[in-house]
Amino acid sequence: GAGVSQSPSNKVTEKGKDVELRCDPISGHTALYWYRQRLGQGLEFLIYFQGNSAPDKSGLPSDRFSAERTGESVSTLTIQRTQQEDSAVYLCASSLSRDTVSYEQYFGPGTRLTVT
Amino acid sequence: SQKIEQNSEALNIQEGKTATLTCNYTNYSPAYLQWYRQDPGRGPVFLLLIRENEKEKRKERLKVTFDTTLKQSLFHITASQPADSATYLCALYTGGFKTIFGAGTRLFVKA
Repeated sequence: GAGVSQSPSNKVTEKGKDVELRCDPISGHTALYWYRQRLGQGLEFLIYFQGNSAPDKSGLPSDRFSAERTGESVSTLTIQRTQQEDSAVYLCASSLSRDTVSYEQYFGPGTRLTVT
Repeated sequence: SQKIEQNSEALNIQEGKTATLTCNYTNYSPAYLQWYRQDPGRGPVFLLLIRENEKEKRKERLKVTFDTTLKQSLFHITASQPADSATYLCALYTGGFKTIFGAGTRLFVKA
């Protein structure tokens, strides 16, 4: 079956512009995560959605970052007034509900964002 | 402060040997710990989960141990193959379904 998809795969933008990154989770997965991975570093948690509950936004680095999710489907991560330090790979993951046994997260291929 | 540490230096081993990767953490009491594999240009792929009340978990050539007293997990790949070359990430569930990832250790298996 289809895995997690993300678009675009690569995005180059000028400093100060807004960007929108998209994530299509696996159908039926109620949980959705966004992470940021800078070159050579681990994954930095950004935000978590679970069904219709309020999202956990505790990892968003600044108010320039926001994310939305429509029901249990598509999510968009928006970065306003991009800065060079926003350059990174943005990864999306989805998983079954909190009742699942393994809490396994299925990752998309990521969007590589370059801010010039 | 809360930290997860994985060896930042790459691990180079010969094909057929056992690779052992370490994940140490401080100031957490995780309910479970996961290991993921990440290949260049790709998202991580889940390998194994071990719970706080489990000492060891196996899956084919993989073995994970979890010592909550030492605050350490060891990840072993037996009979390693060049195809096992990748970056391996450990991740802790810290509550509220937030998962904290380590920076990963790169493994190179030489034929």
